[in-house]
Amino acid sequence: GQQVMQIPQYQHVQEGEDFTTYCNSSTTLSNIQWYKQRPGGHPVFLIQLVKSGEVKKQKRLTFQFGEAKKNSSLHITATQTTDVGTYFCAGRYWGKLIFGQGTELSVKP
Amino acid sequence: EAGVAQSPRYKIIEKRQSVAFWCNPISGHATLYWYQQILGQGPKLLIQFQNNGVVDDSQLPKDRFSAERLKGVDSTLKIQPAKLEDSAVYLCASSFPSVTRTSYEQYFGPGTRLTVT
Repeated sequence: GQQVMQIPQYQHVQEGEDFTTYCNSSTTLSNIQWYKQRPGGHPVFLIQLVKSGEVKKQKRLTFQFGEAKKNSSLHITATQTTDVGTYFCAGRYWGKLIFGQGTELSVKP
Repeated sequence: EAGVAQSPRYKIIEKRQSVAFWCNPISGHATLYWYQQILGQGPKLLIQFQNNGVVDDSQLPKDRFSAERLKGVDSTLKIQPAKLEDSAVYLCASSFPSVTRTSYEQYFGPGTRLTVT
C-alpha cells in the first residue's frame, strides 16, 4: 500500500541549533499535513500544504511542499526546549491520510 | 470549545479478553477516525466514519475489531479477542467533512493506552 517515509527517525540537537525533518512519498499527494506530538501527548495539527512548491512559515517553523508534490520538509530555526516532541507528516492519497513514522526531536539546553 | 473526549485513558487486559473504547468528537464534526499508534510509529487509520456511515475500514482487522457510530456522534471501538500485538495507543480524531476544500485538519483526543498481557 501507499507509504510515507520520514527521516531521520531521531534528532538530538543543542538548543539554538536548527532542525529539519524530511518526508517522501512514492506517489503524488493531494496535500500534506504536519502534526506535533509532545511526549505522552496526542498529535496536534500544525499546518496543511496543498499547492506544488508551497512554502509556509509559522514563527521559527518553515514548511515546504515539493514541486512534484511527493516530498515535504519541516525546518525549525534556532530550536528551543519547547520544540521537543515527535513531528509527523501525513500525506493524503485519494482521501486517505497516511502518517509517516515521525521524527523525534530532543533538545539539550 | 471542548476537545475530543476518550475513555478510558488506560486499560490493561489479558490476551483473549475483550475491550471497548469510547470517543466523543468535537461538536459539529461529522467525520470521525479511529487510529492505532504503536510505540515509535505514526498513527495508522483503522476506520473512518462520516456521520454514521463507514467511509474507510480497509485496515481494520475485522475478525477481531469492530466499531460503530450509531447516531452519528459518539463512537465505540471494540477488540474481541485481544492479542498481544494489539498493545498500542488508540486515538480518536474528528474533523469537518471535506466539501469544497481538499481536507481539513484532524483534532485528536488524548488516546487510550491499551496493554495486553
